[in-house]
Amino acid sequence: QSALTQEASVSGTVGQKVTLSCSGNSKNIGSYAVGWYQQISHGVPKSVMFGNSLPSGIPDRFSASKSGTTASLTISGLQPEDEADYYCSTWDYSLNAQVFGGGTKLTVL
Amino acid sequence: QVQLVQSGAEVKKPGASVKVSCKASGNSFTLYGISWVRQAPGQGLEWMGWISTDNGNTNYAQKFQGRVTMTTDSSTTTTSMELRTLRSDDTAVYFCAAKDSPASAPLDPWGQGTLVVVSS
Repeated sequence: QSALTQEASVSGTVGQKVTLSCSGNSKNIGSYAVGWYQQISHGVPKSVMFGNSLPSGIPDRFSASKSGTTASLTISGLQPEDEADYYCSTWDYSLNAQVFGGGTKLTVL
Repeated sequence: QVQLVQSGAEVKKPGASVKVSCKASGNSFTLYGISWVRQAPGQGLEWMGWISTDNGNTNYAQKFQGRVTMTTDSSTTTTSMELRTLRSDDTAVYFCAAKDSPASAPLDPWGQGTLVVVSS
């Protein structure tokens, strides 16, 4: 069982806005910045957000937020190439470990 | 920006050990730490541990304590992860990823992954 909880699947149509959530607790999401990782077709994961920072080369339709112990990744203007698995991750000071969510499969209809 | 290139696929028998390497090129090697993350077939991402490329300090996931060793060699800008006493459920793709510190900073970039198959 993952330390962080994500939806198993989310879908949206091209151009739509979708939000993926990641729920944790005060020892992880409540205390540290959250990273979001995109993995297309079981390839190499890629960082798409860290905290509120967009890595170089990632389109600005990706944004992130956090409220308490829940983090969210929002994709505005969904594109076919956004179809992927998305993982959230952060540090957990009680486990002294990096923890991941179970991943959300995003389908673009 | 650092680039990470990992060693090739491995097939091992149960009980054996495997050592996967991750060579960094680009920006200064010692400015980064390296995390190791694995992904079993059809499963999610699992963190194994982190090593400082500056001083070799390590932080291993409790699950792998006693079975994993991460090392770093600044002369070759290569970090390695050795996993011992392999079991069939260690079959996975193993990724290295740059991470400045264990608790903060993103995993970015990632190596291309190394498939390790454990089978008799």
